[in-house]
Amino acid sequence: DTGVSQDPRHKITKRGQNVTFRCDPISEHNRLYWYRQTLGQGPEFLTYFQNEAQLEKSRLLSDRFSAERPKGSFSTLEIQRTEQGDSAMYLCASSLGLFGETQYFGPGTRLLVL
Amino acid sequence: KNEVEQSPQNLTAQEGEFITINCSYSVGISALHWLQQHPGGGIVSLFMLSSGKKKHGRLIATINIQEKHSSLHITASHPRDSAVYICAVISNTGNQFYFGTGTSLTVIP
Repeated sequence: DTGVSQDPRHKITKRGQNVTFRCDPISEHNRLYWYRQTLGQGPEFLTYFQNEAQLEKSRLLSDRFSAERPKGSFSTLEIQRTEQGDSAMYLCASSLGLFGETQYFGPGTRLLVL
Repeated sequence: KNEVEQSPQNLTAQEGEFITINCSYSVGISALHWLQQHPGGGIVSLFMLSSGKKKHGRLIATINIQEKHSSLHITASHPRDSAVYICAVISNTGNQFYFGTGTSLTVIP
């Protein structure tokens, strides 16, 4: 399978704990995007990378959130000191080259903060 | 106020009906996406538009840049078309993404 993969698919954690999610994009894609989706809502943009450079961060991305793509391949999204409001589906997508090109989405990581 | 508004929010149709989902946006854009999300959560990109019209099978997407409006049409709808359809735009600064809240479509056999 050469699609976008995310790990883990589900995560349950206690409030205050740190969590880290991983996204592996399609191998030749240089752009990688992170989104968050809460129940009944459309996805919200969080951040995106062009190769290893983080080019844009949404105001939704508080100081507790950090994303990296150290070698321009896989990316990690870390949430520190999780809060119940962080419970959501975290989606990763990748695309090739030009902005606005078709994005290919991963299956998402569903986070539940108790 | 959301930058992207979709209508209707919910839609139920009989199999075979012609379906239209509308998307209006308030920002200048470089591209508009139509996405399909199935109940399991997986998202599939259906179309990326910057002008005119695109067709793929029974799906047709149109965009009017001057009116800041796009429509997604499904001809001869089928129960497997049941999903949430999401409109998303990318601002013409290239740096902001805006999503609609989705249209939940149910096609009844």
